[in-house]
Amino acid sequence: AQSVAQPEDQVNVAEGNPLTVKCTYSVSGNPYLFWYVQYPNRGLQFLLKYITGDNLVKGSYGFEAEFNKSQTSFHLKKPSALVSDSALYFCAAPYNNNDMRFGAGTRLTVKP
Amino acid sequence: EPEVTQTPSHQVTQMGQEVILRCVPISNHLYFYWYRQILGQKVEFLVSFYNNEISEKSEIFDDQFSVERPDGSNFTLKIRSTKLEDSAMYFCASRNRGGNEKLFFGSGTQLSVL
Repeated sequence: AQSVAQPEDQVNVAEGNPLTVKCTYSVSGNPYLFWYVQYPNRGLQFLLKYITGDNLVKGSYGFEAEFNKSQTSFHLKKPSALVSDSALYFCAAPYNNNDMRFGAGTRLTVKP
Repeated sequence: EPEVTQTPSHQVTQMGQEVILRCVPISNHLYFYWYRQILGQKVEFLVSFYNNEISEKSEIFDDQFSVERPDGSNFTLKIRSTKLEDSAMYFCASRNRGGNEKLFFGSGTQLSVL
């Protein structure tokens, strides 16, 4: 089984600045890690996932995430934030073979 | 892109009443899920469903909850006797494989129990 944690409830960045949303994981075996985004009044949307291979994973909307085994982290990043990136971000991992469990979420606010 | 659809978008009910939340997963998907989110916070797993039976359920999914796939397209969540604390946004999700396959979510049903 795997679990994830998001240490920050809220992240604020200025438009054009790089952003990082943090996630740490705890697994037994090889980790499968995901990021989802939730825009207001919408369901969650898949951004990217790490299964194996390159530690830097590229996803939708210019986001990427870096898998770091030594730090047990899977932080979400974007080089230049947009106001439209403001949303709720969830890190996730399969709890077992059948269901997905989510972190507590981090609210990203990008200010103009 | 194919979508998971949920109806209704909003449901208001009185405490103690039964509610049924409806979902139409993506047509070739085999794994189905219900999650809930209270006040826009943490997304909590309720139940997973595969091969016409429950695969996993959380401690939230007690005897008041049930799921059903009554035909080849619908997937429903029933709450038999609603409580105030059942007020939440309920999300249906589906995917065509388990394990590391991504989930597709519906837009949710906002349930308000008065």
